[in-house]
Parts: sequence; structure tokens; C-alpha cells
Amino acid sequence: GQQLNQSPQSMFIQEGEDVSMNCTSSSIFNTWLWYKQDPGEGPVLLIALYKAGELTSNGRLTAQFGITRKDSFLNISASIPSDVGIYFCAGPWAGNMLTFGGGTRLMVKP
Amino acid sequence: GAVVSQHPSWVICKSGTSVKIECRSLDFQATTMFWYRQFPKQSLMLMATSNEGSKATYEQGVEKDKFLINHASLTLSTLTVTSAHPEDSSFYICSAPGPGRSNQPQHFGDGTRLSIL
Repeated sequence: GQQLNQSPQSMFIQEGEDVSMNCTSSSIFNTWLWYKQDPGEGPVLLIALYKAGELTSNGRLTAQFGITRKDSFLNISASIPSDVGIYFCAGPWAGNMLTFGGGTRLMVKP
Repeated sequence: GAVVSQHPSWVICKSGTSVKIECRSLDFQATTMFWYRQFPKQSLMLMATSNEGSKATYEQGVEKDKFLINHASLTLSTLTVTSAHPEDSSFYICSAPGPGRSNQPQHFGDGTRLSIL
């Protein structure tokens, strides 16, 4: 299926720093989803975006649906150690199926 | 919110064994569920779409005789890895779209780590 380009692949940051990651697609999406996966667990939905230009927050997390509908970003403010994990963007593909970005592995130094 | 339960969470077995993994939607019905496979440090790879009451749809390159999918009820899909071999060792995750309107986000189970000796 359609592959989303997610960057960066990994980040190693200091606790308290802000984090930004993004996803781009060659196709237009009607929905952008951001998930976090902890080691040995399934992905957990963080934020769902349904409208171009939409900016949605969930605690320290903020995500935006790009105006072109071909990109989205996720910001994490004032990172803490429990933010460690892999963050995936995802978009619908061929009906109910999802296509995923390659993931951004976040590591936080206390 | 919508919860998807997956069982077992970890399986270790000998080569040649068949292993069944269950995926249940709790408190909502799911006519469609999805099965993914994930290798270490990689993204999720869709294996198949499980359709209640009909045959599963497999992605290209996934052996349907190897990975048997049954979706006999609106809350349960099972994935059976038949005659598993070490190369089948992986993390298997299921998901289901949440209830309500269309284009609901998918909710994932906690995954099953399969280790074949």
C-alpha cells in the first residue's frame, strides 16, 4: 500500500526539550492519525485529524493536518522520560485499511 | 473508548507447532479487523483484512495457507500460524476500526510476540 514518509527516524533529546516530527505523502489523505507504540505493546492512538488545517492538542501533544492534505506534523512539548517510544503517523488506504509511516523512535535523556 | 483485546501476549513453541492468536473487540462490533506483522525496529506491515462471515483478504506475498484467518463473529477474529517455523517469529498485532461513523480510527490490540524455537 501507499507508504508515508516519516521523519526523523530517531531522536535522542534532553528531558524538557520540545520534539517535532512529520509525515508526508504523495497522495491526498482525508484523515491523519498519530499513534505511539511502547516496547512490546500495540500502538495507542494519540490524535486523529479529519480536516485540512486542523490543529488538535492532547495534553503536551499537538498535531496538525497540513493544508495540502499531504502532510501532518506532531509536536511534543517539554518532553519527559515516559515519552520514550516509537511514534507512527498513519492514513487511510483503500477503505478501512491503514498505511503507516516508518516511525520515529524517541529517546529522552533524563 | 474502544478496546481491542489480543491473546496470548507471548507464545514460545517448538518448530512445527500451529499457534492460534485471538483478537476481540470489547463492547463494540467489528465486521472488519486487520492483522499486522512487525519486525524489530520496523513499522507495521499489513498481512490481511479479516471480514466477518466471509474470506479474509490477504496482502501480496502473505501465504493464506500459512496464516489462516477466521472471523466467525462480530467480536472475534483469529489468526492461526500453521506449522510455524523460526522465520515466523515476529510480533503480530490486530486492529479494528472503532464503533460509530465511518473512518473511525483503528484501535490496536497489545500484540502477540511469537517465538518459534
